[in-house]
Amino acid sequence: AQSVTQPDIHITVSEGASLELRCNYSYGATPYLFWYVQSPGQGLQLLLKYFSGDTLVQGIKGFEAEFKRSQSSFNLRKPSVHWSDAAEYFCAVGASTGNQFYFGTGTSLTVIP
Amino acid sequence: GAGVSQSPRYKVAKRGQDVALRCDPISGHVSLFWYQQALGQGPEFLTYFQNEAQLDKSGLPSDRFFAERPEGSVSTLKIQRTQQEDSAVYLCASSLGGNNEQFFGPGTRLTVL
Repeated sequence: AQSVTQPDIHITVSEGASLELRCNYSYGATPYLFWYVQSPGQGLQLLLKYFSGDTLVQGIKGFEAEFKRSQSSFNLRKPSVHWSDAAEYFCAVGASTGNQFYFGTGTSLTVIP
Repeated sequence: GAGVSQSPRYKVAKRGQDVALRCDPISGHVSLFWYQQALGQGPEFLTYFQNEAQLDKSGLPSDRFFAERPEGSVSTLKIQRTQQEDSAVYLCASSLGGNNEQFFGPGTRLTVL
């Protein structure tokens, strides 16, 4: 069965510190992987996506993620966190046909000054 | 339009009432998705349209949930005889189809008393 696990429910980091949000997936075929960010009262915004090719993908707002097939992981990273990065982050896996997404339960990020 | 819009943004219903939630996708987007996001959870897939055809409704939780997109543009999610467990944020997303990015609306927060 398809599923996405985000083991960290909540993470707190200091502004300027590095960040890594974990995502593990279970998917029967080649996964299409996504990271979305959701600010309070806002819709989900795509940060980055992986379909194929280079396993290190760059996204918006200075985020990057690395696809590791052997570990079934797609962790999100940022070298230096800004206060405006405080939000909820969701990892998702999709079908190649593009007609269904499976989301993780999300990781809530708090940034302290 | 510039983005996906949803109305109303907030809806309070008494248990047993019927509700209708509207989604206006980005113009030209052939694919449209509905998701349900319970408090503290990730979005869960409800149903998917390609143009006016509802290709997948496997995520609809019961036969009280019904979605339509009669002209391949605006979509309505209808919930009949609402129950307290229907309280959630209902998200709509649209895309160009295939593996293209899904663009999300701000959601409708439904509270059933």
